[in-house]
Amino acid sequence: ETGVTQTPRHLVMGMTNKKSLKCEQHLGHNAMYWYKQSAKKPLELMFVYNFKEQTENNSVPSRFSPECPNSSHLFLHLHTLQPEDSALYLCASSQEDNGLGYTFGSGTRLTVV
Amino acid sequence: GDSVTQMEGPVTLSEEAFLTINCTYTATGYPSLFWYVQYPGEGLQLLLKATKADDKGSNKGFEATYRKETTSFHLEKGSVQVSDSAVYFCALDQTGANNLFFGTGTRLTVIP
Repeated sequence: ETGVTQTPRHLVMGMTNKKSLKCEQHLGHNAMYWYKQSAKKPLELMFVYNFKEQTENNSVPSRFSPECPNSSHLFLHLHTLQPEDSALYLCASSQEDNGLGYTFGSGTRLTVV
Repeated sequence: GDSVTQMEGPVTLSEEAFLTINCTYTATGYPSLFWYVQYPGEGLQLLLKATKADDKGSNKGFEATYRKETTSFHLEKGSVQVSDSAVYFCALDQTGANNLFFGTGTRLTVIP
């Protein structure tokens, strides 16, 4: 257990479904991140939250909607996804300016059918 | 802009072989450098780090030295094991602000 918990570990959803991914950290970190990891592609940074405020959105389609209700929780709401959105979605957290890098969760393996 | 370039895989080695995975970076200033490891079905785990020139990060038999003159942070291990099979990511953090730039990852497979 790394200190960053992601649920569910696996998710299969249809293109018309709505689902949410959850990430939780109790490390006292003040920044949280969503990454997408697809086969044979580099890690893609999707969203960054610092102190609960979204500071980066790397041209992510609107069918992905993040939510950060507090500094310990991060959600990724999914709706009307496409098969090409199937990937491993990784959450990470960090303490800004401590230079110690990120702590990652184990990821949610998403399959869109 | 800042970037990280690491050798493309996949890399396949026999058990007890010597491992080198090359990583070079482009950055202004003095970034911190990291190696992360991703085992099958898992997220990324921090393997080792170095925060200034000539620092050597080490963990689990892996080492990497921060070489400012060659802008490199190559990962090495003297004798790999089957359990080291994973994907390895080099990363840099430019300002200590935890804005990590990742390399594309190198898949290592160690065969008995």
